[in-house]
Amino acid sequence: DAGITQSPRHKVTETGTPVTLRCHQTENHRYMYWYRQDPGHGLRLIHYSYGVKDTDKGEVSDGYSVSRSKTEDFLLTLESATSSQTSVYFCAIRRQVNTDTQYFGPGTRLTVL
Amino acid sequence: AQTVTQSQPEMSVQEAETVTLSCTYDTSESDYYLFWYKQPPSRQMILVIRQEAYKQQNATENRFSVNFQKAAKSFSLKISDSQLGDAAMYFCAYRRYSGAGSYQLTFGKGTKLSVIP
Repeated sequence: DAGITQSPRHKVTETGTPVTLRCHQTENHRYMYWYRQDPGHGLRLIHYSYGVKDTDKGEVSDGYSVSRSKTEDFLLTLESATSSQTSVYFCAIRRQVNTDTQYFGPGTRLTVL
Repeated sequence: AQTVTQSQPEMSVQEAETVTLSCTYDTSESDYYLFWYKQPPSRQMILVIRQEAYKQQNATENRFSVNFQKAAKSFSLKISDSQLGDAAMYFCAYRRYSGAGSYQLTFGKGTKLSVIP
């Protein structure tokens, strides 16, 4: 358990609506990540953050934005959800001490109708 | 660009037997990390094992071990004495440096492992 929670855990929404997913960590890690998981693609990086207000794009960032106003929270926003964004979204933190390894939250299943 | 290939979409193993999952990767870097993650039906991503490229010795974690062949860019996972709880999707991942002190993981597409009682 890496002290990561994601909310909501499940969401169904309609095309064109805005959606925000939240990742919350309790261990004060600097680096946080958002991935999406789709059948046949494994996990792909959407955006990541290397500090408060410091973010950068990943492999599949189109249609997504992120914000990090506090160390513990990393938000992923779909400004106008599309059916192609139906996926399972994972947040991860990077533990630098000792292992320098990413640990994942429980995931959010998003369905866009 | 770094790519990670898992050539076995599905595999099965008898309980108590040994199974090896394959992973190859492409990179021009000399220093990097490799990981195996397990994803059971609960969907939680669980770290199984990691390997630093500069280390010659293969990593081991209890029943899990790797065969790391740096020149061949191969990183296979061996599971010994397979248990029913080992049934899951297994993902190989490569970690590369992406600037600003940050690292990114590139994942393979996964291998679904079934354990037969």
